[in-house]
Amino acid sequence: EIVLTQSPGTMSLSPGERATLSCRASQIVSSSYLAWYQQKPGQAPRLLIYGASSRATGIPDRFSGSGSGTDFTLTISRLEPEDFAVYYCQRYGTSSWTFGQGTKVEIK
Amino acid sequence: QVQLMESGGGLVKPGGSLRLSCAASGFPFSDYYMTWVRQAPGKGLEWLSYISTTGDYTNYADSVKGRFTISRDNAKNSLYLQMNSLRAEDTAVYYCARAHMVQGTFDYWGQGTLVTVSS
Repeated sequence: EIVLTQSPGTMSLSPGERATLSCRASQIVSSSYLAWYQQKPGQAPRLLIYGASSRATGIPDRFSGSGSGTDFTLTISRLEPEDFAVYYCQRYGTSSWTFGQGTKVEIK
Repeated sequence: QVQLMESGGGLVKPGGSLRLSCAASGFPFSDYYMTWVRQAPGKGLEWLSYISTTGDYTNYADSVKGRFTISRDNAKNSLYLQMNSLRAEDTAVYYCARAHMVQGTFDYWGQGTLVTVSS
């Protein structure tokens, strides 16, 4: 079973700063099936990035994804107030899905 | 627009059963795989199960295999999750989501329904 480990668990940043979130897989995963989601309190998750680097419909270009193999990154270039949330990476493979444990981006 | 609305959550005793429903609208339901994901209080997301367009193919996370059953009724645009032998650790918000199988993602989610397993 492939495990996704996200780091850090929590990051404290100010609006306008850059956020770099990491997702590391325990084995090589296909970039085609690596996604990122954003979840705000009391809300359902929202798809941000698919295929490791493609933005989902309506996602601002301050969100970008990169990586391959076992190491993937979500970058938020300049944090807006609405970006403070929890972010999850997700992997699809062999008829199942796995989520990372999440990274909380909080206001400093 | 795409809408997914879960229902059927509530309080149930350990060992009990519950059936969740997810009403879909705004898209051709029968063309999409569907899935259930849950989130325990204060915890992360856990994928539970998926079902193919016709219901011929399903899969489950090990944590619910043998206890939960996913099904769908394309004529009613509805997805279901039958949950048996419930445990305290099944307490969570349960989300239905539409699966985009080309991307391997969940592109639309419902707002969730809370299931509490407690005596």
